[in-house]
Amino acid sequence: EVQLVESGGGLVQPGGSLRLSCAASGFTFSSYWMSWVRQAPGKGLEWVANIKQDGSEKYYVDSVKGRFTISRDNAKNSLYLQMNSLRAEDTAVYYCARGITIFGVSTGFDYWGQGTLVTVSS
Amino acid sequence: DIQLTQSPSFLSASVGDRVTITCRASQGISSYLAWYQQKPGKAPKLLIYAASTLQSGVPSRFSGSGSGTEFTLTISSLQPEDFATYYCQQLNSYPPTFGQGTKLEIK
Repeated sequence: EVQLVESGGGLVQPGGSLRLSCAASGFTFSSYWMSWVRQAPGKGLEWVANIKQDGSEKYYVDSVKGRFTISRDNAKNSLYLQMNSLRAEDTAVYYCARGITIFGVSTGFDYWGQGTLVTVSS
Repeated sequence: DIQLTQSPSFLSASVGDRVTITCRASQGISSYLAWYQQKPGKAPKLLIYAASTLQSGVPSRFSGSGSGTEFTLTISSLQPEDFATYYCQQLNSYPPTFGQGTKLEIK
């Protein structure tokens, strides 16, 4: 059974840092693109970042570029999101998600974790 | 960035109804569109990918169509468990953006 379990969320002051983790099981983690997607309270979904199977390619939404870093450890079946210089507008539930690719083209996210809440407030 | 506009944003319907949700893209995205269902407090669930391919395990009452800039998600006969919020997502170009959501409520 495919499972994605996020951890590391919590309350942090503006300007602070947090590292999210996503533990994957039930599939060959090293074969999939992985993404982080967030959802502010009562709002819609926003893609944050993704990373290629071997970590050689990473992409970010403009609002987090230079502040967030996505990484993975295929030996540990884990995905990470290092978040620095946090702002109030980063407050959200953060989900990790597995990407489907068909002939190398991303077509959707087929498995999602349960999410971890990040609250940025003084 | 490619903008996705869903209509309607809110939809009230009854069990057994046929409903259609539309997603319009600000520029052509070929068939790189996915649809998700999200229930309160839960993670999104993939329903449709590549505009019209039903994800494994998803009931056949869900269907998707369209290409280019206009797409639809149709539920042929609403069931009680279908009342949720639905999102479209484009994966044609970075960043992969989502529509604002359509909340489907019980009439």
